[in-house]
Amino acid sequence: QVQLQESGPGLVKPSQTLSLTCTVSGGSISSGSYYWSWIRQPAGKGLEWIGRIYTSGSTNYNPSLKSRVTISVDTSKNQFSLKLSSVTAADTAVYYCARDHVYKAFDLWGRGTLVTVSS
Amino acid sequence: ETTLTQSPAFMSATPGDKVNISCKASQDIDDDMNWYQQKPGEAAIFIIQEATTLVPGIPPRFSGSGYGTDFTLTINNIESEDAAYYFCLQHDNFPLTFGQGTKLEIK
Repeated sequence: QVQLQESGPGLVKPSQTLSLTCTVSGGSISSGSYYWSWIRQPAGKGLEWIGRIYTSGSTNYNPSLKSRVTISVDTSKNQFSLKLSSVTAADTAVYYCARDHVYKAFDLWGRGTLVTVSS
Repeated sequence: ETTLTQSPAFMSATPGDKVNISCKASQDIDDDMNWYQQKPGEAAIFIIQEATTLVPGIPPRFSGSGYGTDFTLTINNIESEDAAYYFCLQHDNFPLTFGQGTKLEIK
């Protein structure tokens, strides 16, 4: 049974770079049928798709965040990662990773990890 | 960008009730609409795909309808375990966008 687990610092200082990793267990990240996505949800607000990566390295990003986002994949570790630069308090959110089926979109989610941007 | 307007934001139901949650898209998205259930501290669960198809393993009291711009998630014969946050997702065009979510309380 495939599971996703987010990990990374829970506190990031303003202007710094937020870095998170999603570890895929119970299956290979290299399956040809899936992208791997990051999504976030600020407290009391709706969900926002950040971007996704295919195991070839091909990426798609939300235009609202594109200038600050980098998503990468490490197939040898069965992980994919998110970097968000120049963070502000507005980036405080629960960050989720999700498996993104090529036809059906998100079919599996992680539990999420809270990242707070504060000095 | 496709805006999804989900309503209501909050609803309360009694076991055995039938509830409807609406999601309206700002443009035609065919049937590229999914619904999810999320409970606090847990991973979201995929419940409806392509607007009307029940995901395998999901109880048949859940159903979805709609096409184009208007979509509905229906829960028949509500049970206490259905208390959760429900949200819709469109995957017709980039960026992928979500509804604002509905918190369902069971009395």
